[in-house]
Amino acid sequence: GAVVSQHPSWVICKSGTSVKIECRSLDFQATTMFWYRQFPKQSLMLMATSNEGSKATYEQGVEKDKFLINHASLTLSTLTVTSAHPEDSSFYICSARWGGPYEQYFGPGTRLTVT
Amino acid sequence: GENVEQHPSTLSVQEGDSAVIKCTYSDSASNYFPWYKQELGKRPQLIIDIRSNVGEKKDQRIAVTLNKTAKHFSLHITETQPEDSAVYFCAAPSTLGRLYFGRGTQLTVWP
Repeated sequence: GAVVSQHPSWVICKSGTSVKIECRSLDFQATTMFWYRQFPKQSLMLMATSNEGSKATYEQGVEKDKFLINHASLTLSTLTVTSAHPEDSSFYICSARWGGPYEQYFGPGTRLTVT
Repeated sequence: GENVEQHPSTLSVQEGDSAVIKCTYSDSASNYFPWYKQELGKRPQLIIDIRSNVGEKKDQRIAVTLNKTAKHFSLHITETQPEDSAVYFCAAPSTLGRLYFGRGTQLTVWP
């Protein structure tokens, strides 16, 4: 149990375009999902908390208009990077809470490269 | 959010030796402390966690100790093997179950 998938696994886009990343919980319902960003050789930085049926809660310094999060169902959350720029190039990882108030299981990540 | 400090940033050991990674946290209300292992380009994998009602937890070659008074917890890996080489992250939760991660420790186990 506790399988989380992400799609796509990697994407290359041009500067100024938007990219959508999907995060799915495959074998359980996730009322809460989290989105992280990880730059090379750095830690995971929490971007936002996504709750099913309500607005996402963004961490300080994360632009909510740039990183649009939608959690329309108990098994799907999406992150849209709008007007992407090269500095948005990163590894984006989602996680879903399962089994308790704190346990999180991670998706495989999405490598975004903006040219 | 929670402030999590992790040391060392890199650790090299000989196969068979032990490795210890230490973390401190700032929020005294935190009561769950996971450790994740991340191989290059892959997702973090939960390897062990501990709750604040116990001081130590062990799972085969891996153990975690917690000192709530001092607000620090440590990961201990015994009899290290080359396949233990990876980046290890500690984390601590803040409100609403958000996890905040340490900077990571690159562990290299030399055969």
